[in-house]
Amino acid sequence: GAGVSQSPSNKVTEKGKDVELRCDPISGHTALYWYRQSLGQGLEFLIYFQGNSAPDKSGLPSDRFSAERTGGSVSTLTIQRTQQEDSAVYLCASSAQLAGGGKQTQYFGPGTRLLVL
Amino acid sequence: AQTVTQSQPEMSVQEAETVTLSCTYDTSENNYYLFWYKQPPSRQMILVIRQEAYKQQNATENRFSVNFQKAAKSFSLKISDSQLGDTAMYFCAFGTNAGKSTFGDGTTLTVKP
Repeated sequence: GAGVSQSPSNKVTEKGKDVELRCDPISGHTALYWYRQSLGQGLEFLIYFQGNSAPDKSGLPSDRFSAERTGGSVSTLTIQRTQQEDSAVYLCASSAQLAGGGKQTQYFGPGTRLLVL
Repeated sequence: AQTVTQSQPEMSVQEAETVTLSCTYDTSENNYYLFWYKQPPSRQMILVIRQEAYKQQNATENRFSVNFQKAAKSFSLKISDSQLGDTAMYFCAFGTNAGKSTFGDGTTLTVKP
């Protein structure tokens, strides 16, 4: 696609419900990142996928959070038993990886604004 | 572990003037990349400029330039001839070949007419 897309753009849910957030990275990008951004705050790293390697889950705040990346493309971030403190914007980004290594620029999606009531 | 520090939570500048946003970082890596990202009020994050640590020459993109001081671990962003559309939150970021990036807490820049 032309850019990183995320769905839904907004999600309102009740405390205790599960939610799934979707990210479609730029075609051909092997790296995919999830971040969380609270209102007016910086980015909190959640998880990083690189090709077929095991994901770096070091940023996931609790075991209620999980993420998958199917076929090296689309990714789903799942939050189980949502809490009010989970309310934030969830940003996805993807980047290409040069054949000889090297960190490419991250391209961000528009984010999903999650509100837990 | 890497850390990125942006010591200016908020800044303002008059239209057409120049402003510099500060960023310092801490790392034991020798090969790395530094980025400035811009997040306008509409929230989509976009790259402003990037710098490879092995390059001594400071990166420049039109009105945006950096002052990269590797020994001091400093990476400031200079915006010349500021425009109203430059109003945004600016994030400094650090990345390595391992992939994961570290972002600063951001600086909110307001360009005043």
